[in-house]
Amino acid sequence: SQELEQSPQSLIVQEGKNLTINCTSSKTLYGLYWYKQKYGEGLIFLMMLQKGGEEKSHEKITAKLDEKKQQSSLHITASQPSHAGIYLCGADILPHDMRFGAGTRLTVKP
Amino acid sequence: EAGVTQFPSHSVIEKGQTVTLRCDPISGHDNLYWYRRVMGKEIKFLLHFVKESKQDESGMPNNRFLAERTGGTYSTLKVQPAELEDSGVYFCASSQDWNDRLNTGELFFGEGSRLTVL
Repeated sequence: SQELEQSPQSLIVQEGKNLTINCTSSKTLYGLYWYKQKYGEGLIFLMMLQKGGEEKSHEKITAKLDEKKQQSSLHITASQPSHAGIYLCGADILPHDMRFGAGTRLTVKP
Repeated sequence: EAGVTQFPSHSVIEKGQTVTLRCDPISGHDNLYWYRRVMGKEIKFLLHFVKESKQDESGMPNNRFLAERTGGTYSTLKVQPAELEDSGVYFCASSQDWNDRLNTGELFFGEGSRLTVL
């Protein structure tokens, strides 16, 4: 079974709409990382969260880590076609021991 | 179906020695990526193979690192000579051909090879 549950698997939104992707673990995480994979490319680092309750933003993307450090959400405001791709969460389930979620495929329709 | 496998899972060597990491991608995956994670930081890209060709090796830190993918199947990443700062976890990932619309194209990761240089 996946140590990190990522949802939804796939998401199709209209341009301009907001969306949220979730990443959940049954264990307390030592660090949580969000990546994006653009079509035909490798991983692009988005954000790293380490403290319970931490929230970070970059342009129109905001990521939060809950107080228990077991769940993170990635929120995109006013989505654009450039946001399309696969979003992947990675987390340290033990110190320096990273595992990955299954990914969320985002399609943004113009 | 077997996933991406990496070997060894953990290697401890002394500064100046050589280490070779191996990655077996999922069968049929043309794309193979190497990433490195140092001391709890984010993963950083090293290079990308498409079949046996190096598509992008802009992330390779220096000429002590040599990656090969003979025959377009498994890949090796050799570090020679190893330095202390090379310690970290080396991840390999593979994906299908993005140009084929029938394929999903997502990255599948191995569990990583942890390298400790003393």
